Amino acid sequence: SQQGEEDPQALSIQEGENATMNCSYKTSINNLQWYRQNSGRGLVHLILIRSNEREKHSGRLRVTLDTSKKSSSLLITASRAADTASYFCATEIQGAQKLVFGQGTRLTINP
Amino acid sequence: EAGVAQSPRYKIIEKRQSVAFWCNPISGHATLYWYQQILGQGPKLLIQFQNNGVVDDSQLPKDRFSAERLKGVDSTLKIQPAKLEDSAVYLCASSLGMRGQIRPETFGSGTRLTVV
Repeated sequence: SQQGEEDPQALSIQEGENATMNCSYKTSINNLQWYRQNSGRGLVHLILIRSNEREKHSGRLRVTLDTSKKSSSLLITASRAADTASYFCATEIQGAQKLVFGQGTRLTINP
Repeated sequence: EAGVAQSPRYKIIEKRQSVAFWCNPISGHATLYWYQQILGQGPKLLIQFQNNGVVDDSQLPKDRFSAERLKGVDSTLKIQPAKLEDSAVYLCASSLGMRGQIRPETFGSGTRLTVV
């Protein structure tokens, strides 16, 4: 079963704007990861945040994790047309050795 | 490093036929995963191998799906017989992760299966 719930399901913004996607989950985790998927392609790992971390940066990406609320957010700053893709959060559940993916957010960057 | 290789890229079959997918993970990656991704949804784990042993196959429909990883390297996923609801993209991924040490997974481009 899917543990992660992404919000919104779809997001459309203008190039240059910031995009924020949210992920909520249900059970305790070891870490949370964000992946990007371009249409018809495999998933590409973007960033991993451990359960004892609250914020992490990578280039134009900023991820936050609030374990008390069981939620995470992915912020993409200064968006570009090439950022158009689906974004998935995936949680590594404590006691399991696998990732559980959410349903994804479809992001469209309009030029 | 070379990525995760999958073949075929696309496959169209009739229901009740059988089909097989092949995956070659990144060299040295101990863990191999097969996911099913139905259109508009996130990937769902079907089976996870650690070297050539099965770690998790709890969501694999074992009456029709089977998978093997011979010699702890390449893997094949088979569906026999296929149903219409098996239409999906089948993704293979691999990671360095040993037991209890999940690392980010590297995904192949997937095989898009259409059952008609």
